[in-house]
Amino acid sequence: AQSVSQHNHHVILSEAASLELGCNYSYGGTVNLFWYVQYPGQHLQLLLKYFSGDPLVKGIKGFEAEFIKSKFSFNLRKPSVQWSDTAEYFCAVMRGYNQGGKLIFGQGTELSVKP
Amino acid sequence: GAVVSQHPSRVICKSGTSVKIECRSLDFQATTMFWYRQFPKQSLMLMATSNEGSKATYEQGVEKDKFLINHASLTLSTLTVTSAHPEDSSFYICSAARGVSQETQYFGPGTRLLVL
Repeated sequence: AQSVSQHNHHVILSEAASLELGCNYSYGGTVNLFWYVQYPGQHLQLLLKYFSGDPLVKGIKGFEAEFIKSKFSFNLRKPSVQWSDTAEYFCAVMRGYNQGGKLIFGQGTELSVKP
Repeated sequence: GAVVSQHPSRVICKSGTSVKIECRSLDFQATTMFWYRQFPKQSLMLMATSNEGSKATYEQGVEKDKFLINHASLTLSTLTVTSAHPEDSSFYICSAARGVSQETQYFGPGTRLLVL
């Protein structure tokens, strides 16, 4: 079955540290890839998405992600985190082309940034 | 950006009663909406795909008679939890799809359901 795996359940960083959150998926066909963020008490917001083209995708708030097809990975990065980045981060995969838009989510990674 | 609302944000009900949750896309039309369930500290699990003007498509293991979905217009989908039981207590989140191929989903704030 298709699955999405996020390696880290909980990450704790100090402000200004660099961030990389891992995401791997198991589906072998065409995929669309997403990272969503859920700040405490708020709804999910789209950070960035990859459909095609340049595998290095830049999103909002200084986040970026790199799609590596050979590794089935879509890791999220930020060079310098801030306290306000404390949130839950979800990787999601949508199978491409007429798959009804279904999103399969990873387990989520809780990021805590210490001031 | 696209805005999706849900109502109510929180509901407490007695076991055996039914609860209706509304999901609205406020500034765009959505032919497709999705309903998810999120358990504490866990990911979102897709329950069903709601299509305007047609029957919803349920994921495996989701009881369609238990979770009734109606997508009456291009801006409104409703989820009714029928004969709710304590195990139905959860966080229910909807999303509305937007884009040429409906490829980007915008999420509502969620509804916390507690069944006593």
